[in-house]
Amino acid sequence: SQQGEEDPQALSIQEGENATMNCSYKTSINNLQWYRQNSGRGLVHLILIRSNEREKHSGRLRVTLDTSKKSSSLLITASRAADTASYFCATPIIQGAQKLVFGQGTRLTINP
Amino acid sequence: DTAVSQTPKYLVTQMGNDKSIKCEQNLGHDTMYWYKQDSKKFLKIMFSYNNKELIINETVPNRFSPKSPDKAHLNLHINSLELGDSAVYFCASSFDTGPSGNTIYFGEGSWLTVV
Repeated sequence: SQQGEEDPQALSIQEGENATMNCSYKTSINNLQWYRQNSGRGLVHLILIRSNEREKHSGRLRVTLDTSKKSSSLLITASRAADTASYFCATPIIQGAQKLVFGQGTRLTINP
Repeated sequence: DTAVSQTPKYLVTQMGNDKSIKCEQNLGHDTMYWYKQDSKKFLKIMFSYNNKELIINETVPNRFSPKSPDKAHLNLHINSLELGDSAVYFCASSFDTGPSGNTIYFGEGSWLTVV
């Protein structure tokens, strides 16, 4: 079973609105990361939040982490058409060596 | 300059063939990865190398053989290709996989279609 699962699987909003995506995970973590993937491209790192942090900001991005609920959220404020992409959360699992495990992503569409 | 580059970007080949995907990173990272993304966008790690040494080998058919000639290169060779191997293969790299967490830098992907 997957470590991280995003919710919703797809989200469509109007330009200018805020978009919120959620991620749930199963095991204890020391950090959680969010990545963006534009269509036909590779994944790009957005933000990393550590387990001792509750909230982190980067430009129009706001990430929260609730370790008691094993969940994280990514908020994109004042969305733009260029924000249309898939968004993935990723959590590390240590099995011998540390590996980053990705969820299935949220497909975000920003309508002009 | 491209940080993580992989070639080819598109590959269409017949079942049973052998093919290779090459990857190079110029970021000075010591860890490199191969990830596979299926048609449902699920991204799964296949292999990880640290300083040319294999450290993660997921449950991947032994038709898949990674090779790391140096820490800047990690190639993926696939023997006897099957229809189910059709996917996007991403090469990636990072600094060492310490517990504090490290950003992974991805290549643009190699779209493999087996017909």
